[in-house]
Amino acid sequence: AQKITQTQPGMFVQEKEAVTLDCTYDTSDPSYGLFWYKQPSSGEMIFLIYQGSYDQQNATEGRYSLNFQKARKSANLVISASQLGDSAMYFCAMRDYTGNQFYFGTGTSLTVIP
Amino acid sequence: DTAVSQTPKYLVTQMGNDKSIKCEQNLGHDTMYWYKQDSKKFLKIMFSYNNKELIINETVPNRFSPKSPDKAHLNLHINSLELGDSAVYFCASSQDVASGGIGNEQFFGPGTRLTVL
Repeated sequence: AQKITQTQPGMFVQEKEAVTLDCTYDTSDPSYGLFWYKQPSSGEMIFLIYQGSYDQQNATEGRYSLNFQKARKSANLVISASQLGDSAMYFCAMRDYTGNQFYFGTGTSLTVIP
Repeated sequence: DTAVSQTPKYLVTQMGNDKSIKCEQNLGHDTMYWYKQDSKKFLKIMFSYNNKELIINETVPNRFSPKSPDKAHLNLHINSLELGDSAVYFCASSQDVASGGIGNEQFFGPGTRLTVL
């Protein structure tokens, strides 16, 4: 069963605008972690932001914030003030309660338009 | 200092050959992983080791054999390479939940682009 769903294969955003990348997850465990990674065209995987299932506040890291809606099982990534360098693949991932496995979504390709 | 390193970065080989990819992490992590990323960018877990013990072994052909000589190294050996093995292979590591909590992210190596001709 798919644990992480990213329904947007590709997204476009105008430079300096904000963009939301969707991620929904599936788990019945109370303890889990949600992660977002960026993969630019150069290929490396870059960790962006983390949200724990017990965290009361939405996580923020600079221009990245995570819109965590636990009841809806969604963990959308919001990128504010998009820059050309934000053009990349973005992966949502979940770490399960055993902590040993990370489940990745299929990714969203973001293109920032000047 | 590179946290997770992989060698080689590029690997071009003929069908039927045997090849290995090496991975080393200097982060002191307990858990290491191998992922395969295909041309559509799907990231698929292949194996995971925790303190040198195999803990995740997804459905991959038994031509793929991971080896962990110590907890800082996880190598991937592939026998009888096939065209469909062409992909980017990522090694990753993370701190174990027991020692670091669930919030520790995975650190990825730079990837090895394998091309089978």
